Amino acid sequence: DAKTTQPTSMDCAEGRAANLPCNHSTISGNEYVYWYRQIHSQGPQYIIHGLKNNETNEMASLIITEDRKSSTLILPHATLRDTAVYYCIVRPPRYTDKLIFGTGTRLQVFP
Amino acid sequence: DSGVTQTPKHLITATGQRVTLRCSPRSGDLSVYWYQQSLDQGLQFLIQYYNGEERAKGNILERFSAQQFPDLHSELNLSSLELGDSALYFCASSVGPEPREQYFGPGTRLTVT
Repeated sequence: DAKTTQPTSMDCAEGRAANLPCNHSTISGNEYVYWYRQIHSQGPQYIIHGLKNNETNEMASLIITEDRKSSTLILPHATLRDTAVYYCIVRPPRYTDKLIFGTGTRLQVFP
Repeated sequence: DSGVTQTPKHLITATGQRVTLRCSPRSGDLSVYWYQQSLDQGLQFLIQYYNGEERAKGNILERFSAQQFPDLHSELNLSSLELGDSALYFCASSVGPEPREQYFGPGTRLTVT
């Protein structure tokens, strides 16, 4: 399974864009990149996923580099409620949907 | 609200006991996953069921077992409980085994004393 590397923590001012990086240099061609977040002790929440192309939904945008070795999750206008641990996950290529969570990035949004 | 329900919310029990955690997936979802989150181990995948059949196994101890019933709800059975089993247990569901987003329930907090 491809390993991901994320910064341990980041800060962001409320109303600004939060850009969360993720390195997955050993990703293989058929592995998806998923982003989830977990707000203190709640169940993780799906944010977005992608394979090659950049993706956008109502919550965030996902930018994947052309070589697919890294990606960035963008929260365009961070709010205090976006304070959470953000997990970048590379989905294993086997025919199963299990998610392997790393340690994630703790994003603190401040007023 | 993800649409996934888990009961009970909290459970306190003694070492050596057995407990059952219950999960109801979102309407229409056929896959159920169980995860364990403890302070020192982070979020760990335990097991996946798809339409009643076991699909994938993770770091699930032999003392733990799970099943998915015909109505698609799932139960996680934990026996011979140890102090180290104290954790948050999350259930998630998805439509099927293809790459899809998973929706997590609110979790069951298990405390073993």
